[in-house]
Amino acid sequence: NAGVTQTPKFQVLKTGQSMTLQCAQDMNHNSMYWYRQDPGMGLRLIYYSASEGTTDKGEVPNGYNVSRLNKREFSLRLESAAPSQTSVYFCASSEQKGTEAFFGQGTRLTVV
Amino acid sequence: AQSVTQLGSHVSVSEGALVLLRCNYSSSVPPYLFWYVQYPNQGLQLLLKYTSAATLVKGINGFEAEFKKSETSFHLTKPSAHMSDAAEYFCAIWGESNYQLIWGAGTKLIIKP
Repeated sequence: NAGVTQTPKFQVLKTGQSMTLQCAQDMNHNSMYWYRQDPGMGLRLIYYSASEGTTDKGEVPNGYNVSRLNKREFSLRLESAAPSQTSVYFCASSEQKGTEAFFGQGTRLTVV
Repeated sequence: AQSVTQLGSHVSVSEGALVLLRCNYSSSVPPYLFWYVQYPNQGLQLLLKYTSAATLVKGINGFEAEFKKSETSFHLTKPSAHMSDAAEYFCAIWGESNYQLIWGAGTKLIIKP
């Protein structure tokens, strides 16, 4: 089972460049999430999509945009990368509220 | 507002000793609670979950957690630590009014030989 697949695994960007992080799940889950993880700060929610066709801001949405392309895919876009966006990004999915979330392996992004 | 508090950003135990990682939560409704583990350079993996079926929940790798409503706690334990348990552990609760998991800050478990 693939579960939640994120691409790329590693990326280095220059300040001001843009990029899209891709996420796909094969579990037919309704909800999908993007988190960032920084040392000592745990997981912080960037955006989430409770169901296909809806997206909502999380705790730290500034500088990011998302697209729920279909039920399987949820992408995260950085329009103009900043060094403060250097982080590890995780995509996750869950069947519905109250059920466990499944995580991808993460994307380690460095902005120089 | 809901919250999750994990006591201790780092916990160090000797191999073979009891592991106790603390999690306290606040919620005005019956909570759905989770413990996740993150090994270095990997994603998060579910250890166990509480969904009101039983107060003592058994998970993978010999871990278990007990839901105590009176203490608003969901502490994670393992009778005998193994070197392979070295990882970061996160406690989480589902938000009452939205589709968000609320996370604790995490506890790094260090195993001393």
